[in-house]
Amino acid sequence: DAGVTQSPTHLIKTRGQQVTLRCSPKSGHDTVSWYQQALGQGPQFIFQYYEEEERQRGNFPDRFSGHQFPNYSSELNVNALLLGDSALYLCASSSTSSDTQYFGPGTRLTVL
Amino acid sequence: DAKTTQPPSMDCAEGRAANLPCNHSTISGNEYVYWYRQIHSQGPQYIIHGLKNNETNEMASLIITEDRKSSTLILPHATLRDTAVYYCIVGPNAGGTSYGKLTFGQGTILTVHP
Repeated sequence: DAGVTQSPTHLIKTRGQQVTLRCSPKSGHDTVSWYQQALGQGPQFIFQYYEEEERQRGNFPDRFSGHQFPNYSSELNVNALLLGDSALYLCASSSTSSDTQYFGPGTRLTVL
Repeated sequence: DAKTTQPPSMDCAEGRAANLPCNHSTISGNEYVYWYRQIHSQGPQYIIHGLKNNETNEMASLIITEDRKSSTLILPHATLRDTAVYYCIVGPNAGGTSYGKLTFGQGTILTVHP
């Protein structure tokens, strides 16, 4: 049973560019949450998707947007990248029968 | 979401039990206590969670005080591979539906020594 998968593993972008990160949830899970983890900090909640809609959002600007597909996979898009967007981006999935979130390995984004 | 307080760091000898405390004095009645750990640059790993009763699984035990204002995660026989940042999180439980964010603090850096 595959766990949560994320792609790519690493990514380097320059300021002002746009980036798309991808996440496939654990089998049987229908909810995807995204987190940003800056170096030395705990993960910070960005938003959560369920039934292809954003259900809850953290304190992140509109430059951060997402999408969930009918197969429950999800994308995180960040526009107009800033140096401060450099971080580990984590995806977590869960199911309607359990609130436990399981995390993927993350995507390391570096903005130069 | 209720906030949690954890010691910034702890040490443990290999083979001994590691007892990681967490205070969550503002926890409300429907909030679970979750524990995750994160090994350097990897995604957080779910360990265990509980509401009011003590819980045990293959990884750890969770002891929650009767007033639910604090808890202790117990790793019964710590190994070098248990060296990680351990996060105690109080999260909402919306009736069993997948809902709610996890609010991470700074966690406890557990170092297991040979």
